[in-house]
Amino acid sequence: DAGVTQSPTHLIKTRGQQVTLRCSPKSGHDTVSWYQQALGQGPQFIFQYYEEEERQRGNFPDRFSGHQFPNYSSELNVNALLLGDSALYLCASSLAPPYGYTFGSGTRLTVV
Amino acid sequence: AQTVTQSQPEMSVQEAETVTLSCTYDTSESNYYLFWYKQPPSRQMILVIRQEAYKQQNATENRFSVNFQKAAKSFSLKISDSQLGDTAMYFCAFMKPEGNEKLTFGTGTRLTIIP
Repeated sequence: DAGVTQSPTHLIKTRGQQVTLRCSPKSGHDTVSWYQQALGQGPQFIFQYYEEEERQRGNFPDRFSGHQFPNYSSELNVNALLLGDSALYLCASSLAPPYGYTFGSGTRLTVV
Repeated sequence: AQTVTQSQPEMSVQEAETVTLSCTYDTSESNYYLFWYKQPPSRQMILVIRQEAYKQQNATENRFSVNFQKAAKSFSLKISDSQLGDTAMYFCAFMKPEGNEKLTFGTGTRLTIIP
């Protein structure tokens, strides 16, 4: 049973560029959440997708957007990258919390 | 809004010893869930243990147990017979009980098990 898969594992982008990160949820899970983890910090909630719609959103600017596809996979898009967007981006999937979320290993984004 | 505080940035302990990681939180909710997650160098967040606030009994998972003090809003993790594989970042997290609520994390404690 595959867990949560994220791609790519590492990414280097230039300030001002746009980036797309991808997540395939654990088999059977229908909800995908995205978190940003800056170096030395705990993860911060970005948003959550369910039934192809954004269901909840954290305190992140509109430069951060997402999408969920009919197969439950998801994308996180960040426009106009800033140096401060450098972080580990974690995807988590779930079916029936509060039993907990299953996390992927993340995408390490470096903005130069 | 909920906040989670982990006041120990780093800890180390000898292999086979017991270590306790501290976590406090602030919320106006009466029912909620608390978690401890482990993040090894592989970066994947792994669920260690879960506690439901309405349950008075402290959760236990093998060598891992919690001391949940609801009135004090304290949720500490005890690791017994520590092993080298326990070396990781440990995050305390809070979640409201409604379906698919977000997790609010603390800043983490870096735990090193010394051989």
